Amino acid sequence: GAVVSQHPSWVICKSGTSVKIECRSLDFQATTMFWYRQFPKQSLMLMATSNEGSKATYEQGVEKDKFLINHASLTLSTLTVTSAHPEDSSFYICSATRSNTGELFFGEGSRLTVL
Amino acid sequence: SQQGEEDPQALSIQEGENATMNCSYKTSINNLQWYRQNSGRGLVHLILIRSNEREKHSGRLRVTLDTSKKSSSLLITASRAADTASYFCATRQGAQKLVFGQGTRLTINP
Repeated sequence: GAVVSQHPSWVICKSGTSVKIECRSLDFQATTMFWYRQFPKQSLMLMATSNEGSKATYEQGVEKDKFLINHASLTLSTLTVTSAHPEDSSFYICSATRSNTGELFFGEGSRLTVL
Repeated sequence: SQQGEEDPQALSIQEGENATMNCSYKTSINNLQWYRQNSGRGLVHLILIRSNEREKHSGRLRVTLDTSKKSSSLLITASRAADTASYFCATRQGAQKLVFGQGTRLTINP
């Protein structure tokens, strides 16, 4: 079946550094990917929609300059958390839409801890 | 914005019992989906029910949809310890965007 891979699965960084998380569709092309953030014991909150070859569409309240999204190819979207602070510590999950069928697949998530 | 409220927020039952979780949503939908998430993991798609369907079964799962009340329920029969997880309903906004409910944390006690 289709697989979406996220890397890294977990990362610990110091406050003020930037962290990049990758989301790859391994065996299908994905023109659209989505980035979600999930705090402990809470639901997934959609952060942005990532479209291949164009700018991401951010949800209300999500700072586009803080959460940089790049979708440079049909199989890869990256989320960069710039100048990370402890409040950015969260579980970040991506999903990818298979271009020819519209099916949606989720990655395993990336846990970010900012010290 | 997130839509969808689920109740209960947390549910703890004994193994072998049935677990029922409910979800309400606010906008018109074409379909509603249920997902499962084990602690610290990604989401697993369980079942999709279309707006013209009232009930759907998949193994030990039974989903109902009441579009007049904008609500859905997920029933897990004969629960097992391995069913312990969080369960989310999700609806689409626009062409592709998936919006999740608040989720129910289900604990099955052996």
